Amino acid sequence: QSALTQPASVSGSPGQSITISCTGTRSDVGSYDLVSWYQQYPGKAPKLMIYEVSKRPSGVSNRFSGSKSGNTASLTISGLQAEDEADYYCYSYGGSSRTWVFGGGTVLTVL
Amino acid sequence: QVQLVQSGAEVKEPGASVKVSCKASGYIFTDFYIHWMRQARGQGLEWMGRINPHTGGTNFAQKFQGRVTMTRDTSINIAYMDLSRLRSDDTAVYYCARDDTLSDWGQGTLVTVSS
Repeated sequence: QSALTQPASVSGSPGQSITISCTGTRSDVGSYDLVSWYQQYPGKAPKLMIYEVSKRPSGVSNRFSGSKSGNTASLTISGLQAEDEADYYCYSYGGSSRTWVFGGGTVLTVL
Repeated sequence: QVQLVQSGAEVKEPGASVKVSCKASGYIFTDFYIHWMRQARGQGLEWMGRINPHTGGTNFAQKFQGRVTMTRDTSINIAYMDLSRLRSDDTAVYYCARDDTLSDWGQGTLVTVSS
């Protein structure tokens, strides 16, 4: 199971919107609506931000949204804030192998 | 509230085994999978496998097949991850998390493999 592909870094100014892509294959992202996104600050455990492609857990800001088209899932953060600066990881069910796989991670910089 | 509390840091020599525990509270332990991940310093997250606490059934990433064991003790709501034949590149922070959505995470356990 190969890792999902994310851009290594993205950046944006406060108030702007950014989108982080997560590209898998027809066997994982393309076949199941089981994509999640996590936010991680240095030295901390990851935090669930989006699950099942576009659902937000209680307590997560509605500035965070998720979507999917074909084999690519996306995380959009609108109204960027300084506190959004962190690493972001996507995660997907791998299908018949009953395994799961992460993306390589994206560093978000708020300029 | 849901809590996952992991065991403390470990230092192991190459070739040894390590067993990390993950104590769950605040929910019905047998209702949700426990997943295990690791993260080497400065690197991304890597999925290792999961255990169904109700049945004990497991699924592992191919990379760890034959080297990892996952068990649980439902009487005390603890899941365990045992990694054998340790190498220096197994040095990482190991995490447990609840459910296939990884909705709640443990604080992480640093495992250092060094001679």
